[in-house]
Amino acid sequence: QLQLQESGSGLVKPSQTLSLTCAVSGGSISSGGYSWSWIRQPPGKGLEWIGYIYHSGSTYYNPSLKSRVTISVDRSKNQFSLKLSSVTAADTAVYYCARCLVVEGRWFDPWGQGTLVTVSS
Amino acid sequence: SYVLTQPPSVSVAPGQTARITCGGNNIGSKSVHWYQQKPGQAPVLVVYDDSDRPSGIPERFSGSNSGNTATLTISRVEAGDEADYYCQVWDSSSDFVVFGGGTKLTVL
Repeated sequence: QLQLQESGSGLVKPSQTLSLTCAVSGGSISSGGYSWSWIRQPPGKGLEWIGYIYHSGSTYYNPSLKSRVTISVDRSKNQFSLKLSSVTAADTAVYYCARCLVVEGRWFDPWGQGTLVTVSS
Repeated sequence: SYVLTQPPSVSVAPGQTARITCGGNNIGSKSVHWYQQKPGQAPVLVVYDDSDRPSGIPERFSGSNSGNTATLTISRVEAGDEADYYCQVWDSSSDFVVFGGGTKLTVL
């Protein structure tokens, strides 16, 4: 059973870079047919797709965040990462990683448990 | 960009049927997926590709999609179904994922 677990700094200062890692267990991140995704949820609000990285290494990002986001994969560690630069209080959210099936439609399953990142000085 | 519209809240008595809608321009031409999120927990996929259920999801959860509206239907609602529900589609033209704003289901 595939499991994902987010980790990283829970507190980031404004203007700095948010860095998170998602460790994948119970399966290989190198398996074809999937992309690896980040999604966030500000406190009390809805879900916002951040972006994903395909098996090929191609990345696609939410245009509203594209200039600040980088998603990468470390196949040797079976994990993928998120970097979000120049953060502000608006980036405070629970950040989820998830696997996305690469078929017409794209859906996310499973999800990690999520990690809260607070942007504050 | 593509917009998905959900009602903020839906209320239903136990044992009744809950219907949660997701509106979008010609959404019937897209595949719609639904997630259940209980307080303090990560979202869980309950319906994918308009009407398919992942293993482990009760048959009480079903979906439909036509025209400008997709619907998640929960039959014989139980107290444990109380949660936020989100619809989601993929915009193939730009490889972009969109979530609806979410609907809070309250079991009376």
